[in-house]
Amino acid sequence: GAGVSQSPSNKVTEKGKDVELRCDPISGHTALYWYRQSLGQGLEFLIYFQGNSAPDKSGLPSDRFSAERTGGSVSTLTIQRTQQEDSAVYLCASSYDRASTDTQYFGPGTRLTVL
Amino acid sequence: GQQLNQSPQSMFIQEGEDVSMNCTSSSIFNTWLWYKQDPGEGPVLLIALYKAGELTSNGRLTAQFGITRKDSFLNISASIPSDVGIYFCAGQLQGAQKLVFGQGTRLTINP
Repeated sequence: GAGVSQSPSNKVTEKGKDVELRCDPISGHTALYWYRQSLGQGLEFLIYFQGNSAPDKSGLPSDRFSAERTGGSVSTLTIQRTQQEDSAVYLCASSYDRASTDTQYFGPGTRLTVL
Repeated sequence: GQQLNQSPQSMFIQEGEDVSMNCTSSSIFNTWLWYKQDPGEGPVLLIALYKAGELTSNGRLTAQFGITRKDSFLNISASIPSDVGIYFCAGQLQGAQKLVFGQGTRLTINP
């Protein structure tokens, strides 16, 4: 497909377990973003990858959150020792990143529920 | 951190009515964006604004970048059922890549 894809679409886990969320950006896009959307809220920036540069991790809420981007394409967001407040929709976006004005295209998100 | 105040939080209108929503910020943004999100989907870009005072249309949608660079509005004319969804404003600081989002406006249309 031509859009950003994310998997799984839904994830239910128990408190204390680790989870991995995957994002496949649009082919050719060098920038990749993770956002979190809590129920009834706007999106909250988590982390940004640009090519081979060091990622901007300024939005990660705690050290339980980490993300990797291997080979400049697929990204994985990992949440360790999940807490109930981690329940949210996690959205990934990608862009060409030739300029800060390049459009960010969003995936459908992964809905995480921590019981 | 930066915050965008978006209003109203929700709107209930009749089909055919015009809609107006806005966002304000205490920070100056270099770019203002308006997104629409349908249930179970990610946000989709509707309009992007890059210059203070800019007024841009996309079909029945019109958005403006405020002169002070601290606000923006979105108007939808002659609403139709497919306009239902959540609308988000988003701002981008100069040189920054990340977007700062408003809390969203949930639009409900009665046929």
